Amino acid sequence: NAGVTQTPKFQVLKTGQSMTLQCAQDMNHEYMSWYRQDPGMGLRLIHYSVGAGITDQGEVPNGYNVSRSTTEDFPLRLLSAAPSQTSVYFCASSYSAAEKLFFGSGTQLSVL
Amino acid sequence: AQSVTQLGSHVSVSEGALVLLRCNYSSSVPPYLFWYVQYPNQGLQLLLKYTSAATLVKGINGFEAEFKKSETSFHLTKPSAHMSDAAEYFCAVRFSGANSKLTFGKGITLSVRP
Repeated sequence: NAGVTQTPKFQVLKTGQSMTLQCAQDMNHEYMSWYRQDPGMGLRLIHYSVGAGITDQGEVPNGYNVSRSTTEDFPLRLLSAAPSQTSVYFCASSYSAAEKLFFGSGTQLSVL
Repeated sequence: AQSVTQLGSHVSVSEGALVLLRCNYSSSVPPYLFWYVQYPNQGLQLLLKYTSAATLVKGINGFEAEFKKSETSFHLTKPSAHMSDAAEYFCAVRFSGANSKLTFGKGITLSVRP
């Protein structure tokens, strides 16, 4: 099983550039989410989805967009990258929010 | 406001010593509670979870946690630390009526001395 697949693993952007972080899961999970991890801040929820066509904001949604057109995919879009978005990003999925989360291996993003 | 708190950012123990990592939450209704572990350069994986079936929850790698409603706590323990336990540990909470969001604490780094 592939589980949760995130691409790319590393990315360097210039301020103002846009990009999409990809996330796909093959476990037929309804719940998918994006977190960012920063030193001393733990994991902070950016956006989440409880099923195809349904998304909602987390703690730190500004500067990010998501969509959920299929059960499998949950891409995260950075509209205009800023240095404050330098972070490690994790995608995670589960059968429901009350169940165990399966995490991707992370994307290390640097914005110069 | 509903929140989850992990006191301290770093705990250091000797190999073979007791591990105690603290987690407290603030909510009038007991939430779903989880502990996750992150080894260096990896994603997070579930250690254990509390879902109201039993107050003492056993997880993987010899870890366990006890839910104490009166103290609004869910502390993680392991009787004897091993070098391989060195990692970052996160308490996570899903509050009732919170639209399915899972909120993580800030994490505690566990170091194990030989």
